[in-house]
Amino acid sequence: DAKTTQPPSMDCAEGRAANLPCNHSTISGNEYVYWYRQIHSQGPQYIIHGLKNNETNEMASLIITEDRKSSTLILPHATLRDTAVYYCIVRASTGANSKLTFGKGITLSVRP
Amino acid sequence: DAGITQSPRYKITETGRQVTLMCHQTWSHSYMFWYRQDLGHGLRLIYYSAAADITDKGEVPDGYVVSRSKTENFPLTLESATRSQTSVYFCASSEGVGTGYGYTFGSGTRLTVV
Repeated sequence: DAKTTQPPSMDCAEGRAANLPCNHSTISGNEYVYWYRQIHSQGPQYIIHGLKNNETNEMASLIITEDRKSSTLILPHATLRDTAVYYCIVRASTGANSKLTFGKGITLSVRP
Repeated sequence: DAGITQSPRYKITETGRQVTLMCHQTWSHSYMFWYRQDLGHGLRLIYYSAAADITDKGEVPDGYVVSRSKTENFPLTLESATRSQTSVYFCASSEGVGTGYGYTFGSGTRLTVV
């Protein structure tokens, strides 16, 4: 069962910020939000994860709402190489639900 | 080279044949995973292993067999391939399954069963 809901696709202009939304209204207290992406024909790649605080790394920022029911992945300056499928995954810290379970993701198309 | 490698990259086999997909990682990660990816289904977990000689079923294990005699290798065998097993197969490894442990994926094996 998918624990996250993402729009099927979106696009943005190269150089602009890409804001990818994700709903996870049934998230539990011990569950983290993870983002992975998959560039065509390649294996998925880890981007970022967080529990309740906003997180930033060299690839992206993750904004989690205060009630933790939704989050947004931000790619600050999208490039053509960021065109990919992005997966938002809710993952428990331990136990059976701690394995990565992928939904259908959102296809981001970055246009020149 | 360090990393996780899958072989072969592409494979065509006939219905009913046995085929083995290989996965090798050089980090000594405890956990290894096999996923398959089909259009309309995303990535689905087939089997995983927590350590050498410890394996467990994922979401779609039927028709597949795994073994893990060494930490670094996690082969996936289709004992009698069927057309429905035509897919792209990804292997992954991780130090653990809890938070803070990211998965690193291989480049995939594209299997076609004719």
